[in-house]
Amino acid sequence: GENVEQHPSTLSVQEGDSAVIKCTYSDSASNYFPWYKQELGKGPQLIIDIRSNVGEKKDQRIAVTLNKTAKHFSLHITETQPEDSAVYFCAALNSGGYQKVTFGIGTKLQVIP
Amino acid sequence: NAGVTQTPKFRVLKTGQSMTLLCAQDMNHEYMYWYRQDPGMGLRLIHYSVGEGTTAKGEVPDGYNVSRLKKQNFLLGLESAAPSQTSVYFCASSQELNTEAFFGQGTRLTVV
Repeated sequence: GENVEQHPSTLSVQEGDSAVIKCTYSDSASNYFPWYKQELGKGPQLIIDIRSNVGEKKDQRIAVTLNKTAKHFSLHITETQPEDSAVYFCAALNSGGYQKVTFGIGTKLQVIP
Repeated sequence: NAGVTQTPKFRVLKTGQSMTLLCAQDMNHEYMYWYRQDPGMGLRLIHYSVGEGTTAKGEVPDGYNVSRLKKQNFLLGLESAAPSQTSVYFCASSQELNTEAFFGQGTRLTVV
């Protein structure tokens, strides 16, 4: 089955700095890679996603890059703000969708004011 | 905009007791899922449904049952709770297989 590894498990950055979270996957059939943000006491919420036919996608301060050859994808947050503090999960899906999804174990991001 | 609503938010059970977690979505989504979240293990799929009246097993189904009698509701049952079922449970729904999944706020369950 699919194996998704996520690094780092914790990340502290100063407000205004950039944060990068990396994930690797094993199944070359994976074709959809969402990133979820989970704030304390809440459910995960999609912040950005990328499909296998795209190498990079941006949405304001958030960007995701995908390297299909190396089987890794990364989340980039620029100009971090205290409200970015949360746990971030990556996931890899193939044609089986969320029935077969594999989530990373999560990265706890702390933005220090 | 309610989205996905889970009931209850918190619950403490004694070993051997039973309970049902309710998930309701108002987005007319076909697909619904139950996950559990444990420290260091990410989200793991318990059961899922691809439409009204259908259910299927996920990665960790043992000790749980589900039902989807109405399209908007997906129930998760624990027949005889065990301490190993102490976890945070999330319900989610999606319109299609590989699109955004919407999660509920979670149910924190403790089995003592």
